[in-house]
Amino acid sequence: SQTIHQWPATLVQPVGSPLSLECTVEGTSNPNLYWYRQAAGRGLQLLFYSVGIGQISSEVPQNLSASRPQDRQFILSSKKLLLSDSGFYLCAWTRGPGELFFGEGSRLTVL
Amino acid sequence: AQRVTQPEKLLSVFKGAPVELKCNYSYSGSPELFWYVQYSRQRLQLLLRHISRESIKGFTADLNKGETSFHLKKPFAQEEDSAMYYCALKPSGTYKYIFGTGTRLKVLA
Repeated sequence: SQTIHQWPATLVQPVGSPLSLECTVEGTSNPNLYWYRQAAGRGLQLLFYSVGIGQISSEVPQNLSASRPQDRQFILSSKKLLLSDSGFYLCAWTRGPGELFFGEGSRLTVL
Repeated sequence: AQRVTQPEKLLSVFKGAPVELKCNYSYSGSPELFWYVQYSRQRLQLLLRHISRESIKGFTADLNKGETSFHLKKPFAQEEDSAMYYCALKPSGTYKYIFGTGTRLKVLA
């Protein structure tokens, strides 16, 4: 069966520090991968999605970037975190059109 | 612009009462529409999608292209329905899933 893992689950970082959140999918190949940010009152905001290795589509201009170094690995990064980057980040995957499967999320607090 | 609107942030109903969670979308093509649910301390998960025309946990949703709506309904709410509900749109020919701001449903005893 397919599973999706995100880590770390919780992260507290100072302003200006770098960020790396990792997401890995198991049990499938060539998934479409997504990063969302979940914020109260703002719902789920699509940040990035990828349909293949090295292919990244950015939806929102911001302080973050994404990379897909391997077929089932999706990384969310920042060189210098801002206070406004605090939030709950969700990774998701789908195989073709249809159901999105979500990870458990990573809560980032920038101080 | 493609957009999903859920006008209610919070909806409180009593157990046994009917529930309707509203969802309107902005998209000129043929949409794929979904409802996702997040129960307390659980992952966000698919509840239903319009192409399936299913009833899941007593919930149904009908796509109304004229009104660009995809409201979620249940005739008799149960306490275990309390959760956060998100409506989502997938524009045809894209890989994007666009979510609304969500509605928190509280079913009171």
